Amino acid sequence: DQQVKQNSPSLSVQEGRISILNCDYTNSMFDYFLWYKKYPAEGPTFLISISSIKDKNEDGRFTVFLNKSAKHLSLHIVPSQPGDSAVYFCAASVYVDDKIIFGKGTRLHILP
Amino acid sequence: DAGVIQSPRHEVTEMGQEVTLRCKPISGHNSLFWYRQTMMRGLELLIYFNNNVPIDDSGMPEDRFSAKMPNASFSTLKIQPSEPRDSAVYFCASSSPGEQFFGPGTRLTVL
Repeated sequence: DQQVKQNSPSLSVQEGRISILNCDYTNSMFDYFLWYKKYPAEGPTFLISISSIKDKNEDGRFTVFLNKSAKHLSLHIVPSQPGDSAVYFCAASVYVDDKIIFGKGTRLHILP
Repeated sequence: DAGVIQSPRHEVTEMGQEVTLRCKPISGHNSLFWYRQTMMRGLELLIYFNNNVPIDDSGMPEDRFSAKMPNASFSTLKIQPSEPRDSAVYFCASSSPGEQFFGPGTRLTVL
């Protein structure tokens, strides 16, 4: 039973446009949410996080939105750049220093 | 800091052989995690340690898998005997509060 779900295995977006990656979760105890980015032959790297007391966190081109009532979060990248092409993992934990549960990932292709 | 170090980066072995994957976490990090990535299941948590003590090994698939952390700077994940379905990329990660840092992974192929 997947507690963190990324229902889109892949997504293609034109360079310069907005990329929106979605994630749903089932465990209402999750209190901390993260996005990781992964390039081929490398380990995932931390991108941005949000705690449940917020509904939005922004870092440069990256914004994460959290809708607790819907158990849904999304990552917005604007404007999208070629270097954003990667696999993006949504993740969640019950508290900030707990084990992190990952989704299966969404492969983002930025088209020239 | 060199980050999380994993060895070997690639391992090809035959079914039935023992495989040992190694990890050196970032100095000062108290938690260490072992993950397995496959196309079908994504990134699965196998086991994690806090202060060298195994906290949760519920993700370890079966008794053929074992993990140890004899000290704060070293951990191993052992598979014995290995099977073709164990073929995957295995990641080690260590954490400071709020963020996990991943190693480059070990790509394991069991023939």
